[in-house]
Amino acid sequence: QSVLTQPPSVSAAPGQKVTISCSGSSSNIGNYYVSWYQHLPGTAPKLLIYDHDKRPSGIPDRFSGSKSGTSATLGITGLQTGDEADYYCGTWDNILSAWVFGGGTTLTVL
Amino acid sequence: QVQLVESGGGVVQPGVSLRLSCAASGFTFSSHGMHWVRQAPGKGLEWVAFIRHDGNEIYYAGSVKGRFIISRDISKNTLYLQMSSLRPEDTALYYCAKDFGSQYISYFDYWGQGTLVTVSS
Repeated sequence: QSVLTQPPSVSAAPGQKVTISCSGSSSNIGNYYVSWYQHLPGTAPKLLIYDHDKRPSGIPDRFSGSKSGTSATLGITGLQTGDEADYYCGTWDNILSAWVFGGGTTLTVL
Repeated sequence: QVQLVESGGGVVQPGVSLRLSCAASGFTFSSHGMHWVRQAPGKGLEWVAFIRHDGNEIYYAGSVKGRFIISRDISKNTLYLQMSSLRPEDTALYYCAKDFGSQYISYFDYWGQGTLVTVSS
């Protein structure tokens, strides 16, 4: 059971928008930067968003991040079938003195 | 370009030791923190350990503390994970990941392809 809570799955049609939530607490999201990762099992995960809302070069602006209080959200617009993957939020937790990932959310583009 | 290549995985029996390696290239290895992250079959990503750029600060996940040791050899641009007293629940694909920062954990900007560790009798 992760300290960061994500929905197990989300789905939407091609071209639509989806949001993935990541709920934490003051010991993690409330005081530390959140990053988001896209992962196809068996392959190298990819950084999508860092410092809550910044995109690395090469990541399209269809991907966005935000944070409010002790929760963070990943948004994906203009969904494509190639976006089907697992998505993870992550941040530092100062009670655990450890990096923590959310449980992961599987995105299905119907 | 940044490359991280893990090796050393295999099938081992419970209780034995195994050392994973991660060969790094394409960036100044001595200037960045490094991590190990794993994914057990059918499970999510689990952070395992972090070592600061100079090796002087190290953190472990509670599930491996006291059994795993992370280290780095700057002269060889290589990250290591010495795993001892292995358990079936350590079975996972182990990823090496580069931290954007040097002294503090910031985020994982590059990842390797992983090396598979299977602990089974």
